[in-house]
This record gives sequence, structure tokens and C-alpha cells, in this order.
Amino acid sequence: GAGVSQSPSNKVTEKGKDVELRCDPISGHTALYWYRQSLGQGLEFLIYFQGNSAPDKSGLPSDRFSAERTGGSVSTLTIQRTQQEDSAVYLCASSLAPSQSAFFGQGTRLTVV
Amino acid sequence: AQSVTQLDSQVPVFEEAPVELRCNYSSSVSVYLFWYVQYPNQGLQLLLKYLSGSTLVKGINGFEAEFNKSQTSFHLRKPSVHISDTAEYFCAGIQGGSEKLVFGKGTKLTVNP
Repeated sequence: GAGVSQSPSNKVTEKGKDVELRCDPISGHTALYWYRQSLGQGLEFLIYFQGNSAPDKSGLPSDRFSAERTGGSVSTLTIQRTQQEDSAVYLCASSLAPSQSAFFGQGTRLTVV
Repeated sequence: AQSVTQLDSQVPVFEEAPVELRCNYSSSVSVYLFWYVQYPNQGLQLLLKYLSGSTLVKGINGFEAEFNKSQTSFHLRKPSVHISDTAEYFCAGIQGGSEKLVFGKGTKLTVNP
């Protein structure tokens, strides 16, 4: 596709359930980012993939959060045993290289009830 | 320490007035700097970027920003705003060493008639 695609666009889940959020970056983009946007909190960095390098996981808030990127393309963010404080919009972005502009997807709005 | 600081969380202005949204970066951030805009209920899109060269950078929708190395600033300006400029604006930079893209907490610009 022409842009970064995220699915689902909305997800409502019960507390304690696991969720998977998907990101399809722009073809050829080697850098991929996940951010979390909560009301009044700006963009919180979660994880960064660059090519075949080990991902920078320094922003993951707890061990319930994990992410992988298969074949240098599609990425999945998994949240285990969801909590209400996990409710937020999860944004994915990709770029040709770290110093280049990042393009964002529309995000997945996660609501934990 | 935060790498990118946006000094104002909210900026209200009247239509056709000039506006400046402030952004300062720390020494841990390389001189790759960006401004993104998020219109209500939409994703983030790139307004402008500074990678090198001229310190005055022009972006879309009449916005411009000036890179000031001595003041470690990258303030965003527009000489005359429109109602349609109402949005949240995010300053971002590449964190040196890690190469990850880090954001300020955002500034909500509200343009009133």
C-alpha cells in the first residue's frame, strides 16, 4: 500500500485478555516505530526496529508488552493480560532510514474494559 | 532527561494573528529535527524537517521553523493563522546513539474567530 497500515482501527477488550496490534509499514522502509498516545501524555516511545539490528525496547512499560517484526516488514505489538491503563491509541510509523521523515499510520484505539 | 521539550502545552490565538510554538532540544538529540501536526481525530503528518543546510525551513500550510544551534531551539512559526490550523503540534528529534525518534509532549494550538 501507499502508506502505513494498522489493524484493527479499534479494539475493545476485557481486562486480562491478550491483544495483538498489527502494523504494515511502507514497502522498503527499514525503520519501524511503535508509540502510545494517551490523553494529555503526548507520544510515548515504545519500541524501535532498524533493519536486522536488535530492536530498541527501552520504552516498553512492562514485560506484558512485546513486539516483533517478521521479515523486516510487518510488525505485531502484543499486550498480555491487558489492564485498564493500557487503554490508548497505539501508533506505528516507518521511515526509509532513522534520519529520514517518519510516516504514521492512523493508529489502533485500544479500550480495555 | 527529556530530549525534546515543548514549553507550551496549549496556545490560544485569534485568527490572522501570528503564532510561535516553542521547541528546545537537548544535546542528546542529533540535529535531525521535525515538526508533526495532528488534526482532530486524524493521524500525524509531517509539517517540516531540518536535516542540514539552511537554518530556516519552510513546510506545508505556510509554516516555517528556524534551527538555532546556540539556543538549541527549533521554534515553529506562522505569520497569520487560520481556524483550520487548530491542531496539536509535535516537535521531534533523532536521539543520538540510539537513532530513535523522540517526541515532545505536544502543543495544542487553538485558533479562535
